[in-house]
Amino acid sequence: SQTIHQWPATLVQPVGSPLSLECTVEGTSNPNLYWYRQAAGRGLQLLFYSVGIGQISSEVPQNLSASRPQDRQFILSSKKLLLSDSGFYLCAWSPVWSSPLHFGNGTRLTVT
Amino acid sequence: RKEVEQDPGPFNVPEGATVAFNCTYSNSASQSFFWYRQDCRKEPKLLMSVYSSGNEDGRFTAQLNRASQYISLLIRDSKLSDSATYLCVGAGGGADGLTFGKGTHLIIQP
Repeated sequence: SQTIHQWPATLVQPVGSPLSLECTVEGTSNPNLYWYRQAAGRGLQLLFYSVGIGQISSEVPQNLSASRPQDRQFILSSKKLLLSDSGFYLCAWSPVWSSPLHFGNGTRLTVT
Repeated sequence: RKEVEQDPGPFNVPEGATVAFNCTYSNSASQSFFWYRQDCRKEPKLLMSVYSSGNEDGRFTAQLNRASQYISLLIRDSKLSDSATYLCVGAGGGADGLTFGKGTHLIIQP
């Protein structure tokens, strides 16, 4: 069966510090991969999605970036965090378009 | 612009009652829909897929009305553990075609 792992679960970082969140999927090949952010009391915002190794599409302009160095690995990064980057970050995968997403446990990021 | 709209609630419902809420979508090209459940400070989890005319799974029934562009979720014999936020999702066909509603907050009261 397929599983998705995301870490860390919680993170407290000062403004201006770098960020690296990692997500890996097991049990499938060539998944579609996604990074979402959910601010407190708000809906899910799609940040990035990837259809294959090295292929990243960005949905919103921001100081975040994403990379997919391996088929089942998706990384979310920032060189300098802003206070507004605080939120609940969720990695997700799906086998094909229009199929439901399966989410990781999420990373709760607090920028202080 | 593709949108999925939901009543944010909260819906306060006594235990054992039946509750229903709707979700409207603006993208007529959406092919499939899903309901997710999200508990406080947790990740969303797939509750049901809604493909053609609807779907039923135990106490949960989802209906799709393409003419009026809405889907509904019906929960029968509600239980305290049903308290959560329910997210409606429409899929339009592309990788970025998954559009999430902001969720409906449901509180089941003893």
